[in-house]
Amino acid sequence: GAVVSQHPSRVICKSGTSVKIECRSLDFQATTMFWYRQFPKQSLMLMATSNEGSKATYEQGVEKDKFLINHASLTLSTLTVTSAHPEDSSFYICSARTENAEAFFGQGTRLTVV
Amino acid sequence: AQTVTQSQPEMSVQEAETVTLSCTYDTSESNYYLFWYKQPPSRQMILVIRQEAYKQQNATENRFSVNFQKAAKSFSLKISDSQLGDTAMYFCAFTLSGNTGKLIFGQGTTLQVKP
Repeated sequence: GAVVSQHPSRVICKSGTSVKIECRSLDFQATTMFWYRQFPKQSLMLMATSNEGSKATYEQGVEKDKFLINHASLTLSTLTVTSAHPEDSSFYICSARTENAEAFFGQGTRLTVV
Repeated sequence: AQTVTQSQPEMSVQEAETVTLSCTYDTSESNYYLFWYKQPPSRQMILVIRQEAYKQQNATENRFSVNFQKAAKSFSLKISDSQLGDTAMYFCAFTLSGNTGKLIFGQGTTLQVKP
């Protein structure tokens, strides 16, 4: 299958700082990327859908100003958690969609805000 | 809005046996895709199998097969000859056809394969 690289895999930051997570499709162009948040032993909660060259579409209840998503090219989308707080600590996963509607996932980022 | 429901939070199966995981979904659309993903303890999401709604034939990938019942909006996953490496959380997922459809997940089923 296609390869999606997510970086960093683990990050610890201080409360009030911002953190950027990158998601790259390495061997295909992804017009659509998705960002999810996952709590332990729970499902993936869709945060936003990111389309190349346009503004992201956020799910209800997700703060646009807190979770900034940029999809600047067909192979790169970034999620920036601004002014992070301990409640933002979670596992964040990106996925990129291929032309035949399959979605491939990055390795995930474990964010810890201290 | 589309929804995906997995009603079995946890299941277990003996090694080499067969197990079936259930999934139902709700949509008013006719063109869509269904998937099963596996998430082992590493938390890397792995695509197990996909099904296009317009295809009547059930998808099969080695030991994994689905029972797709479009009218009933049911999409179950059968794992044959279960192996210890199949131990993982399994998610059923849905997306509409087209390039911008959301990928929506069910609640997940934790499968334990016992030796």
